[in-house]
Amino acid sequence: GAGVSQSPSNKVTEKGKDVELRCDPISGHTALYWYRQRLGQGLEFLIYFQGNSAPDKSGLPSDRFSAERTGESVSTLTIQRTQQEDSAVYLCASSPKAKSGAYEQYFGPGTRLTVT
Amino acid sequence: AQKITQTQPGMFVQEKEAVTLDCTYDTSDPSYGLFWYKQPSSGEMIFLIYQGSYDQQNATEGRYSLNFQKARKSANLVISASQLGDSAMYFCAMREGYNFNKFYFGSGTKLNVKP
Repeated sequence: GAGVSQSPSNKVTEKGKDVELRCDPISGHTALYWYRQRLGQGLEFLIYFQGNSAPDKSGLPSDRFSAERTGESVSTLTIQRTQQEDSAVYLCASSPKAKSGAYEQYFGPGTRLTVT
Repeated sequence: AQKITQTQPGMFVQEKEAVTLDCTYDTSDPSYGLFWYKQPSSGEMIFLIYQGSYDQQNATEGRYSLNFQKARKSANLVISASQLGDSAMYFCAMREGYNFNKFYFGSGTKLNVKP
C-alpha cells in the first residue's frame, strides 16, 4: 500500500519568508511525528500527534514553528520568518496502533528545506 | 547525558562478511523499546528491527539481529553476509517508557560495504 508521503520534496526559500510542509501519513495510523535532520546529524524530535489528543509540542525549537493535524489525516508544519539555521531535512513519520508494542515508525522521504 | 550513543561515525565491511554497529542507551525507565533504522542516500528512513526491554530473546529479522545486553545497556545491530545495498546510514533509536512522543535517535553510523 501507499507509504508516508511528503511535499514538497525540495523547497528553497529566502530568509524571512514563511514555508509550509505537508505530510500524508499511512491511512489508519493514529500517531504522527515531525523530525528535523540537519546535515550529517541524527533526528531531532519536533512534534507528536496522537489521534485527537493535544499534540506534544515540546520539541519545537521556537515559536516560529507550528504544526497542525486534522484528526488522523494530513499534517502541515509551518515555519514562519525562516532563518538560515532552519535549513535541514524535515521528516514525517506515522505509526499504527500497536500489535506487539513495537510502535515502529514509518517515515516519509522528507522535505529538504534550504533557506538562502 | 545522551540518551542514545553511536560511537562509530563510519564503518567499512567487505561484502559477504558480518558487521556489528554499536549502540548504547541511557534510561532509568524499566520499560523501553529499541529500534534500528537504515537511511540510504535517498533519504528515506527504513525500519529494520525492534527489541522490547522485556523481551527475553534477541530480535532477529532476516540478516539483521540485535545483540541486546540489558545490563550493559547496549543494543548492537549485527548484519550478516553484508551486501552492497547495505551501504547506508544506520540509526539506533529508543522509545522511553510508554511515552510514544519520546523517541530518541543516535547520531548514526555510516556503513560502507566494499566489493
